[in-house]
Amino acid sequence: DIVMTQTPLSLSVTPGQPASISCKSSQSLLFSDGKTSLYWYLQKPGQSPQLLIYGLSNRFSGVPDRFSGSGSGTDFTLKISRVEAEDVGVYYCMQSIQFPRSFGQGTKVEIK
Amino acid sequence: EVQLLESGGGLVQPGGSLRLSCVTSGFTFTTYDMGWVRQAPGKGLEWVSTISGSDGRTYYADSVKGRFTLSRDNSKNTLYLQMNSLRAEDTAVYFCAKDGTYIGGGSYYFLSHEYWGKGALVTVSS
Repeated sequence: DIVMTQTPLSLSVTPGQPASISCKSSQSLLFSDGKTSLYWYLQKPGQSPQLLIYGLSNRFSGVPDRFSGSGSGTDFTLKISRVEAEDVGVYYCMQSIQFPRSFGQGTKVEIK
Repeated sequence: EVQLLESGGGLVQPGGSLRLSCVTSGFTFTTYDMGWVRQAPGKGLEWVSTISGSDGRTYYADSVKGRFTLSRDNSKNTLYLQMNSLRAEDTAVYFCAKDGTYIGGGSYYFLSHEYWGKGALVTVSS
């Protein structure tokens, strides 16, 4: 099974400042077609998770362009260029290259 | 608009059974894989199970294999999770989730957990 490891587990950010979350997988998430099966989700307080990024770096419909995903193979990063108050919550990475699907532990982002 | 509405949660004793339902609307149910993700109180997300839209093949987390059964009724656009031999560690909010696809820029993408329901709370306790 693939293990997903996120760092840091918590982050306190001043509004307008950037933020970065790292996610590492125990195996490569690269498909033979060149796509990477890495997702990022955000769970805002009291809400269901929502899809932010799919296929490593593609923003889901309606996701602001201050969010970006990058990385390759087993090392991935979610960046928020300028954090806003509405970005608070817990961010999860997830792999879907094989079953069982697996999530990272989550990174809690709060505003200073 | 895609809508996923879970029901069937509640309090059950250890060893008991419960069936969760997820009624869907706003998309062609038969086309997409569907599944469940759970979240124990104060904990992170845990994938539980997925069922294929094309052939009905099912996949389970080791923690629920042999106890949970995922099924779908395409005539009712509804997903079911039959949970047997429930344990205290199964206590969680269970989210119904729809997979999706996207075609753009000449590429085809598979979207895992594209949309989520609001969740159903299952509490296993004596």
